[in-house]
Amino acid sequence: QKEVEQDPGPLSVPEGAIVSLNCTYSNSAFQYFMWYRQYSRKGPELLMYTYSSGNKEDGRFTAQVDKSSKYISLFIRDSQPSDSATYLCAMSYNNNDMRFGAGTRLTVKP
Amino acid sequence: DSGVTQTPKHLITATGQRVTLRCSPRSGDLSVYWYQQSLDQGLQFLIQYYNGEERAKGNILERFSAQQFPDLHSELNLSSLELGDSALYFCASSADGYSNQPQHFGDGTRLSIL
Repeated sequence: QKEVEQDPGPLSVPEGAIVSLNCTYSNSAFQYFMWYRQYSRKGPELLMYTYSSGNKEDGRFTAQVDKSSKYISLFIRDSQPSDSATYLCAMSYNNNDMRFGAGTRLTVKP
Repeated sequence: DSGVTQTPKHLITATGQRVTLRCSPRSGDLSVYWYQQSLDQGLQFLIQYYNGEERAKGNILERFSAQQFPDLHSELNLSSLELGDSALYFCASSADGYSNQPQHFGDGTRLSIL
């Protein structure tokens, strides 16, 4: 079993839809949880950064962490074609050795 | 633009050769991380340097080595290259690597082994 599990998709939604992306993990020591967006031929771009459990909102993006269930989510409201990318969850216990999910490829169709 | 600069963008070489990848961290960041991204393995942490000293090691092969220089730029050296080393290599940087400062990634070096 991988330490971080993420459904690779692909996921295709119409413009304006609410997108839900999820990861599960096995290491209860993880404290730092991140979501990165990666466009083709570019590096991962930090979207959301959360310490421990709870919710965090930034514009159209909301990140949720449920440490009791070892489950994290990223919600994208009013999705746009420009949101089409691969979304990577990442987590670590010391902010150094980050473990990444496989990434979910998202396509938002106009 | 993350502020992390990686060169070269693309490198093509042959098996058995040695290459050096370069990374300049964001201004003010002291910590540099190297990652390998391949289709079958995803994004894998290789090694971290903080202010010139090795801080943490991940899944880095013995054929690979890295260093961070006094001006804080870092180099990843890959030797005795094999076909399986073909991948994207990313560098990331963070303010200090101790506290809750997130990592910011460069756009990577695509290494192709022929």
